[in-house]
Amino acid sequence: KQEVTQIPAALSVPEGENLVLNCSFTDSAIYNLQWFRQDPGKGLTSLLLIQSSQREQTSGRLNASLDKSSGRSTLYIAASQPGDSATYLCAVIRGGATNKLIFGTGTLLAVQP
Amino acid sequence: GAGVSQSPSNKVTEKGKDVELRCDPISGHTALYWYRQSLGQGLEFLIYFQGNSAPDKSGLPSDRFSAERTGGSVSTLTIQRTQQEDSAVYLCASSANRAGANVLTFGAGSRLTVL
Repeated sequence: KQEVTQIPAALSVPEGENLVLNCSFTDSAIYNLQWFRQDPGKGLTSLLLIQSSQREQTSGRLNASLDKSSGRSTLYIAASQPGDSATYLCAVIRGGATNKLIFGTGTLLAVQP
Repeated sequence: GAGVSQSPSNKVTEKGKDVELRCDPISGHTALYWYRQSLGQGLEFLIYFQGNSAPDKSGLPSDRFSAERTGGSVSTLTIQRTQQEDSAVYLCASSANRAGANVLTFGAGSRLTVL
């Protein structure tokens, strides 16, 4: 059974810091991995999608890496801003007949002005 | 539409009543998912549709939960004889084809409170 864990569960940093969020998964047979952000009372916004054949994806100040063999992904946020404050979720998909995403437990990020 | 639309956004009901939650996916998206997010918990998979069929409904917690999708578009999640533990935010997502190759777009969710 695929289990996805995120560390840390919560993080508070001052504005301007670079930070790394971690995601680990127990079954390396994944099709892709996605990072989402969730703002309070709202749905999820997809940030980055990494196919299993890729090592990383970048979008603006965000960079996500994937190491399938070790079952790890990291989300790097450069020059953090108060607007980055949200819950960040990673999710993996195995593919095949079962296409469901298995979500991690989330990291609650607070960027202090 | 431009995004995934869910209704109602908030629903308060009494224990034992039936509720229906609706999801309008992005036009043309063939894959549709329902997830549940309870207070302080992660997202729990409920059911996956490809077109009108549901190849994976393994996450439905009990036979009080059912879902259907018609015309390859709108989906309805029905909860019969609601219980207090059904209180959660129910999220719907859609993607253009196989979710393995496409990004999921989520709706804002339907918050269900069972008194």
